[in-house]
Amino acid sequence: GGIITQTPKFLIGQEGQKLTLKCQQNFNHDTMYWYRQDSGKGLRLIYYSITENDLQKGDLSEGYDASREKKSSFSLTVTSAQKNEMAVFLCASSISPAGSNSDYTFGSGTRLLVI
Amino acid sequence: AQSVTQPDARVTVSEGASLQLRCKYSYSGTPYLFWYVQYPRQGLQLLLKYYSGDPVVQGVNGFEAEFIKSNSSFHLRKASVHWSDSAVYFCAVSANTGKLTFGDGTVLTVKP
Repeated sequence: GGIITQTPKFLIGQEGQKLTLKCQQNFNHDTMYWYRQDSGKGLRLIYYSITENDLQKGDLSEGYDASREKKSSFSLTVTSAQKNEMAVFLCASSISPAGSNSDYTFGSGTRLLVI
Repeated sequence: AQSVTQPDARVTVSEGASLQLRCKYSYSGTPYLFWYVQYPRQGLQLLLKYYSGDPVVQGVNGFEAEFIKSNSSFHLRKASVHWSDSAVYFCAVSANTGKLTFGDGTVLTVKP
């Protein structure tokens, strides 16, 4: 079976710092996603990528950059961390972006705390 | 635009009781509908999904959901809950663009 690996699991940053989160999948899935999860809230889409070198903005892309240099990896950068920010970032992948194969497999998340 | 509403932020039931978690969606086209479960400090796991055909879909661990188009609903059900079912449950809708939109989730607590 495959796996989605997110690194780091925990990330503590300082206000204004640029922070990078990484995601690797070995399912050979075409599409990858980054979601942000705040306490008591659902997941909000930040960026997704349909294939290598593709980038699509989600609902929450402001303040973030993303990069899909290889099919197996998708990185997310917080361009300027906000003080007291606390959230979980979840990476996911799917065989295709839509249709019957669009159900996702999720990583276990990166927990961000900004001090 | 698509959206999902889970009207119950928290649900508490006794072990062995039946369960229904409510989900209503908004999407003008034919929706693909999902229920995911999230255990503490883990990612989301797929419980079940609906694409077409029989409106009642069976999932893992005895969960099922029914798609009712006239009501724009996709409620999750289980006949008899176990303490290990305590988790956060998310309903989601997918458009043909591939974008998956989630509800805010329902925290389920099963009392022994």
